[in-house]
Amino acid sequence: SAVISQKPSRDICQRGTSLTIQCQVDSQVTMMFWYRQQPGQSLTLIATANQGSEATYESGFVIDKFPISRPNLTFSTLTVSNMSPEDSSIYLCSAPLGVYQETQYFGPGTRLLVL
Amino acid sequence: AQSVTQLGSHVSVSEGALVLLRCNYSSSVPPYLFWYVQYPNQGLQLLLKYTSAATLVKGINGFEAEFKKSETSFHLTKPSAHMSDAAEYFCAVSPGGSQGNLIFGKGTKLSVKP
Repeated sequence: SAVISQKPSRDICQRGTSLTIQCQVDSQVTMMFWYRQQPGQSLTLIATANQGSEATYESGFVIDKFPISRPNLTFSTLTVSNMSPEDSSIYLCSAPLGVYQETQYFGPGTRLLVL
Repeated sequence: AQSVTQLGSHVSVSEGALVLLRCNYSSSVPPYLFWYVQYPNQGLQLLLKYTSAATLVKGINGFEAEFKKSETSFHLTKPSAHMSDAAEYFCAVSPGGSQGNLIFGKGTKLSVKP
């Protein structure tokens, strides 16, 4: 079965620093997605990362705060920049996988605590 | 714009009882609908999906959901709850087709009492 992995699984960071989260998919996909899940909340889409083009950000999210890289069809990174305690969340990546790439699968998430 | 509403942020059932988690969607086009489960401190796992085939969809762990266009609903059910079903359940719709991003409901936390 398809697998999506993320690193790190969790981290505790100081405010003002940055953290880069990696997402690896075990098959080639055109689109990858990054979500944020704030404590006790649902998932909110941050951006869509297509290989070979700039990421597309949702309202309320900007590239300076959440720069994304997509160097190839199996890998993406999300950086949380200049962190504040409000950035404490679970960050998840996802990709459409399956025979027809018709199902969104999620990575295990990165649990971030900003002090 | 497409959206999802989950009625009830917290549902509590006894072990062996029927589980019913409600989800209503808003969509101007035939939707792709999903139910995901999130166990404590874990990522999201797909339970089942509706992609315009059979209206009654069977998923993993004995869960199923019925797509009712007239009611714009996609409620999740399980005939007999098990303690291991305690988790958070998210209903989601895909506005961009089956490969697009997902719009999630607020989630329903299911508790199962012995």
